Amino acid sequence: DGGITQSPKYLFRKEGQNVTLSCEQNLNHDAMYWYRQDPGQGLRLIYYSQIVNDFQKGDIAEGYSVSREKKESFPLTVTSAQKNPTAFYLCASSRRAPGTSQPQHFGDGTRLSIL
Amino acid sequence: SQQGEEDPQALSIQEGENATMNCSYKTSINNLQWYRQNSGRGLVHLILIRSNEREKHSGRLRVTLDTSKKSSSLLITASRAADTASYFCATDAVGGSEKLVFGKGTKLTVNP
Repeated sequence: DGGITQSPKYLFRKEGQNVTLSCEQNLNHDAMYWYRQDPGQGLRLIYYSQIVNDFQKGDIAEGYSVSREKKESFPLTVTSAQKNPTAFYLCASSRRAPGTSQPQHFGDGTRLSIL
Repeated sequence: SQQGEEDPQALSIQEGENATMNCSYKTSINNLQWYRQNSGRGLVHLILIRSNEREKHSGRLRVTLDTSKKSSSLLITASRAADTASYFCATDAVGGSEKLVFGKGTKLTVNP
């Protein structure tokens, strides 16, 4: 079955540590997205990528980094510069239709906490 | 930046009743989408309505769009306990990229 897989489901970060969240899709989608969800806040866009080897900052990119070396994979690194990383992180993918949005398919998220 | 805003923030109804959630947004859009999120899970796409459409149906879901008022509504008919979830609207922007901006959601509880 096609879908998006996020791992791990739960992750703990120590002070000063970088951690990487994995996102893999087998839907053959060109576009991928990372969102952060805080309680009662809805989703906020961290980074997105519309094509391999290219990505753009979203609304809250500070303290995060990404790479898009393969179409299937879009890992997110939460760096030590992100002072408040505790949140639920969601990865999504979609087809591309330049200039207009498409339905996004979501993974089941990674819950990140500070130790 | 939060473009869509859902109303009410929370809604509690009995099984069999209809549930209506509203979404308001600020700028001109190409599409408006509705998603559902069960507790602790990812979002699931429900329906997409284009700016030139006024109403769309999918099973027990009915979505309306009023671009003059920059608002949309999601109606769930004959609700079931399994409909208990948070519901989000998401919009793109004319002239913008393909990215979506999500509202804060409506938390729906359907009591058996």
